[in-house]
Amino acid sequence: EAQVTQNPRYLITVTGKKLTVTCSQNMNHEYMSWYRQDPGLGLRQIYYSMNVEVTDKGDVPEGYKVSRKEKRNFPLILESPSPNQTSLYFCASSLGPGETQYFGPGTRLLVL
Amino acid sequence: ILNVEQSPQSLHVQEGDSTNFTCSFPSSNFYALHWYRWETAKSPEALFVMTLNGDEKKKGRISATLNTKEGYSYLYIKGSQPEDSATYLCAFNPTGNQFYFGTGTSLTVIP
Repeated sequence: EAQVTQNPRYLITVTGKKLTVTCSQNMNHEYMSWYRQDPGLGLRQIYYSMNVEVTDKGDVPEGYKVSRKEKRNFPLILESPSPNQTSLYFCASSLGPGETQYFGPGTRLLVL
Repeated sequence: ILNVEQSPQSLHVQEGDSTNFTCSFPSSNFYALHWYRWETAKSPEALFVMTLNGDEKKKGRISATLNTKEGYSYLYIKGSQPEDSATYLCAFNPTGNQFYFGTGTSLTVIP
């Protein structure tokens, strides 16, 4: 089944404890992206990747890192999480820039 | 930060009614405009990707139009059904790589 998977789906952590949210797609998509969703705001783009080893900042990259070592995986790294990073995170992928995006199931993160 | 506005914020309609929503975006530097349907506790699901001024796309009872010169897109639902209840998101895609989402229109269809 063609899909985007994210792990974990739910995570409670404490300020400053490094964490990684994994994202994987099995559709051989070139483009991948991370978003966060907060109440009252639209989805905001954190980082995106056009291909392996090619990443760039979205609208709200502060406090996040990404890597794209393999085409299928695009992990989101929070080196030192803070409470303002409590959010619902979505990973998405598409064949190429501007193409239909397929979203993962979301990861709900709570930083205490 | 680019401003993408959706209206109305929420809408309640009776089953069988037709309805429409608006997405407004900056009219410069256009690559594409995306529409998504987002049901509670699920992930956004793509409806349309619109790229050309004057584009009109249709999927069943749902259709969308695009005006890039004036910076707006309309989403229409004909004969709304309870299963159409969801939040409808638009995303302005000025470069192909970057996406700016509106806050969505929440539709409730009353049986």
